[in-house]
Amino acid sequence: SQKIEQNSEALNIQEGKTATLTCNYTNYSPAYLQWYRQDPGRGPVFLLLIRENEKEKRKERLKVTFDTTLKQSLFHITASQPADSATYLCALDTGTASKLTFGTGTRLQVTL
Amino acid sequence: DAGVIQSPRHEVTEMGQEVTLRCKPISGHNSLFWYRQTMMRGLELLIYFNNNVPIDDSGMPEDRFSAKMPNASFSTLKIQPSEPRDSAVYFCASRDRGQANYGYTFGSGTRLTVV
Repeated sequence: SQKIEQNSEALNIQEGKTATLTCNYTNYSPAYLQWYRQDPGRGPVFLLLIRENEKEKRKERLKVTFDTTLKQSLFHITASQPADSATYLCALDTGTASKLTFGTGTRLQVTL
Repeated sequence: DAGVIQSPRHEVTEMGQEVTLRCKPISGHNSLFWYRQTMMRGLELLIYFNNNVPIDDSGMPEDRFSAKMPNASFSTLKIQPSEPRDSAVYFCASRDRGQANYGYTFGSGTRLTVV
C-alpha cells in the first residue's frame, strides 16, 4: 500500500542549530514533492516544491533534497529560530492526478 | 488578495443536522480542493475540482457528503445528516494549475463539532 512517513515524534532543537526533518514514501512515483508549515489553528502554508529530476532546492534558510532512489526527502532549516516552531508536512503529487497526498507531519520545537 | 476564505470558522451542531461549509478560492485559481484533518488520520483529500468540474471524489467518505462548485468563486461541502465521527477541521485549498512552481493555498479551516 502507499505510505508517506514522517517522524511522529516531535523534534526538539536549540536555537541556531540546523533542523532536519525526514519524509519517506513507499509505492509512489511522485513527480513533485512539496513541504508545508502548519501552525496551531491555521491552515498549511506552502514552503517549497521540488521536482523528481531536481536533487536540491533552496529558499533563504530552507533546503530540501529529493532522492527518488532512496524514496526520501530531507527538509533542513539552518540557523533555526523559535519562530520556526511549527508542524511541517510533506506532500506528494504524482503529476498525473494533480492532487496532493500529505504525510502526518513532524512537530518542530526550537528552544532558546 | 485576501487568500482562500472559509466560513464558518467554527460550527457546532447536533447529530442528524445538515451542515454546510463554504469556500471562496483565490481569484484566478482554477483548482479547488477540500481536505479533512483529524489527529488520527491527518490531512485527507475529500474531493477536488478543476475549472469548477469535480474530478475526483473518491475521498468522500459516504453518501452523506456532497460538494458543489457552481462558479469559479464559490464552493460548498455539505454533510447531511451529520454524525459525531464527522468532527474534524475541514480545509479548502486552491491553486493555479498554470503555476508549476507553486503549491496550494489553504484557508484557515472550519472546525466542525458534531455532538
